[in-house]
Amino acid sequence: DAGVTQSPTHLIKTRGQQVTLRCSPKSGHDTVSWYQQALGQGPQFIFQYYEEEERQRGNFPDRFSGHQFPNYSSELNVNALLLGDSALYLCASSLETGTHSYEQYFGPGTRLTVT
Amino acid sequence: QQPVQSPQAVILREGEDAVINCSSSKALYSVHWYRQKHGEAPVFLMILLKGGEQKGHEKISASFNEKKQQSSLYLTASQLSYSGTYFCGTEGTGRRALTFGSGTRLQVQP
Repeated sequence: DAGVTQSPTHLIKTRGQQVTLRCSPKSGHDTVSWYQQALGQGPQFIFQYYEEEERQRGNFPDRFSGHQFPNYSSELNVNALLLGDSALYLCASSLETGTHSYEQYFGPGTRLTVT
Repeated sequence: QQPVQSPQAVILREGEDAVINCSSSKALYSVHWYRQKHGEAPVFLMILLKGGEQKGHEKISASFNEKKQQSSLYLTASQLSYSGTYFCGTEGTGRRALTFGSGTRLQVQP
């Protein structure tokens, strides 16, 4: 049973560039959430996708956008990269049960470095 | 608003117990606990729901005081493998997203 997978594992970009990160959810899961984790901090919620739509969004600028595909995989896009965007980007998947009783499983993350 | 975790760090000897606390200023629907080892993804440990339902790891217990919006994670008879950073993630009413605390670094020594 494959867990949550993310690609790439590491990425180095220059300020002003654009980046796309990818996530495949755990088998059987239909909901994908993206988090940004700065060094020494807890994950910060970026947004969540369900049924190919952005369901909720955290306090992140419009430079951060996403997409969910019919197979439930997801992409996170960041435009006009800033030095402050350097972080570990985590994808978490879960199964929508119609209740709040859900477990989120995290992928290994993508380490983004902006120079 | 980010939940507050305490303590920020703790060092234990194998076999000792520890309690990690998580407090929120907002009304909560659920509290989720995760452990993250250096360079790895957070691993799900426990979820506590308003109303008392719990799901999680058999060897780890937790409590959720709905009136005080506080949760505690109890680690008993600690093992070396318990080392890592523990995060609580809180879910407010009307939201599906988790807001994480800044973590508690736990180190278990032989």
